[in-house]
Amino acid sequence: DVKVTQSSRYLVKRTGEKVFLECVQDMDHENMFWYRQDPGLGLRLIYFSYDVKMKEKGDIPEGYSVSREKKERFSLILESASTNQTSMYLCASSRLAGGGGRTQYFGPGTRLTVL
Amino acid sequence: AQTVTQSQPEMSVQEAETVTLSCTYDTSESDYYLFWYKQPPSRQMILVIRQEAYKQQNATENRFSVNFQKAAKSFSLKISDSQLGDAAMYFCAYSIIQGAQKLVFGQGTRLTINP
Repeated sequence: DVKVTQSSRYLVKRTGEKVFLECVQDMDHENMFWYRQDPGLGLRLIYFSYDVKMKEKGDIPEGYSVSREKKERFSLILESASTNQTSMYLCASSRLAGGGGRTQYFGPGTRLTVL
Repeated sequence: AQTVTQSQPEMSVQEAETVTLSCTYDTSESDYYLFWYKQPPSRQMILVIRQEAYKQQNATENRFSVNFQKAAKSFSLKISDSQLGDAAMYFCAYSIIQGAQKLVFGQGTRLTINP
């Protein structure tokens, strides 16, 4: 059974703190994604990676960075957390190759509150 | 840039009835994929159904089917014989064919099933 896990379900941090959100997948997927989910806005792509040490900016990368040192792990980093980064963060992964539209498999999400 | 619009923030339906969720999108591509994802309360997002734009036949998965109107750029989801377990946020999403197939999501529709 496919599995994407995220390090925390709930996280509370203070403004200015450095925050790490971890995502691990056990499906040997090449692609990994970080989204943030806000009411009325749906999911918006922050960053994605199609290989180890490779990353590309999504639609809202400002204030975030990512790291992918191993194929199974993709980290989202908030260098200096701000209150407007309070949100639900979802990680997803998918295979690189294959036709028919590749399914993205999602983690349970991390609800981050920045005070 | 591609956009996806779900104009119904909330919908409700009686158990065992049929409900249709609307989605429109904008793209200049001729070939692409469309998806419906389901996010149950406090549970992980999962794929419900997908459609390849070059296929004229509408996709179906058990009680779930789509009405894909390419010229109108419309992609609605029909749920037949609604069940209590169908209660969730439903997201329409689009991806291009090439590359990592990153998803562009709509705002979501919250579906309530009335017993």
